[in-house]
Amino acid sequence: DSGVTQTPKHLITATGQRVTLRCSPRSGDLSVYWYQQSLDQGLQFLIQYYNGEERAKGNILERFSAQQFPDLHSELNLSSLELGDSALYFCASSVGNPWDTEAFFGQGTRLTVV
Amino acid sequence: AQKVTQAQTEISVVEKEDVTLDCVYETRDTTYYLFWYKQPPSGELVFLIRRNSFDEQNEISGRYSWNFQKSTSSFNFTITASQVVDSAVYFCALSEALRAGNMLTFGGGTRLMVKP
Repeated sequence: DSGVTQTPKHLITATGQRVTLRCSPRSGDLSVYWYQQSLDQGLQFLIQYYNGEERAKGNILERFSAQQFPDLHSELNLSSLELGDSALYFCASSVGNPWDTEAFFGQGTRLTVV
Repeated sequence: AQKVTQAQTEISVVEKEDVTLDCVYETRDTTYYLFWYKQPPSGELVFLIRRNSFDEQNEISGRYSWNFQKSTSSFNFTITASQVVDSAVYFCALSEALRAGNMLTFGGGTRLMVKP
């Protein structure tokens, strides 16, 4: 058990809908990362938050947004969903300082858009 | 820009064979970390090892060993006496330590199938 909790584990929704994925980091970790794993793009970094502030952005679509709350849990919001958004979405957490880059991943949320 | 290449898309071995998974990386930073993760059929990403760019010592953990060579920008992973439970997709990843965010850049993964 990595200590990173993601909910839900599975999500099936229709095109055009909006969903929210939730992540609770390991105790003591200030940094949360979101990654997307799809068949055609592989594992890609989406966005990172550190202690409530956005720290880095990767290949995240404008239809997607995230935030980190005062209790350090994070949510990834995906809107106007398309078939191509079907993927496994991972959250990872770390202490967050540059010298401690170990990233432990949650079990992922498998999103299926139909 | 950083890049990780895992040239072997799929490897199939018979149980008890040794197998090496290759990982080649590119970075302009002198301070970076390299990782290996295992993704079993259940889907989660299991952390296996982290190595920093200043430590080229090889590491052994049970049947697993890692060979880090800066001269060839490689960080290869060997499983000795493979077992069926080793069947998974293995990812190599790179993190540039001083880059804002120090997120992971993953290779494409190598699917390892160990047959009984």
